[in-house]
Amino acid sequence: EPEVTQTPSHQVTQMGQEVILRCVPISNHLYFYWYRQILGQKVEFLVSFYNNEISEKSEIFDDQFSVERPDGSNFTLKIRSTKLEDSAMYFCASSEWGQDTEAFFGQGTRLTVV
Amino acid sequence: SQQGEEDPQALSIQEGENATMNCSYKTSINNLQWYRQNSGRGLVHLILIRSNEREKHSGRLRVTLDTSKKSSSLLITASRAADTASYFCATDRPYSGNTGKLIFGQGTTLQVKP
Repeated sequence: EPEVTQTPSHQVTQMGQEVILRCVPISNHLYFYWYRQILGQKVEFLVSFYNNEISEKSEIFDDQFSVERPDGSNFTLKIRSTKLEDSAMYFCASSEWGQDTEAFFGQGTRLTVV
Repeated sequence: SQQGEEDPQALSIQEGENATMNCSYKTSINNLQWYRQNSGRGLVHLILIRSNEREKHSGRLRVTLDTSKKSSSLLITASRAADTASYFCATDRPYSGNTGKLIFGQGTTLQVKP
């Protein structure tokens, strides 16, 4: 069964460093998303991406965040200068048609900023 | 405002019993989706129910939706120890420019004792 894959599963980084989280969405899906879940809190939407551009983003998704689809399969989230409060589980998701369709999530990348 | 609030926050039952989790939301929706998350792992899509549907089944799962009360319930019948996880509802709201962004609730932590 097709699935969303994320790498790495766990990343530890020093405060101020840049990190890139990687995702391979399901191949025939057109919409891609990043969400995050701070430990013990609810899953929060960060950004959606369609047709090679950001289609929607939350207040959390400020200038330190960026997303890219560098090739036909990968979808990345870059955090330019990490802060302690960026420590969270980051989930990539994809859906076939966006609104009103199932969104399938990856296993997540646990980011720890020290 | 909160969207997608589950109750109870925690539920503990014996194997073989049924587990019922509820989700309430505040605005109109396109659909409501239920996800399972095993501790520290990814989100597994369980079921999507659209705003014009009242009930859906998938194996031992039964989901109901009452749009007049803005609530949904997830019933797991004949529970197993392997059902131990957190369960989240997530809503997809209809608005201009929506690309499938999901708003998650806090989740219900289910423990099934063998």
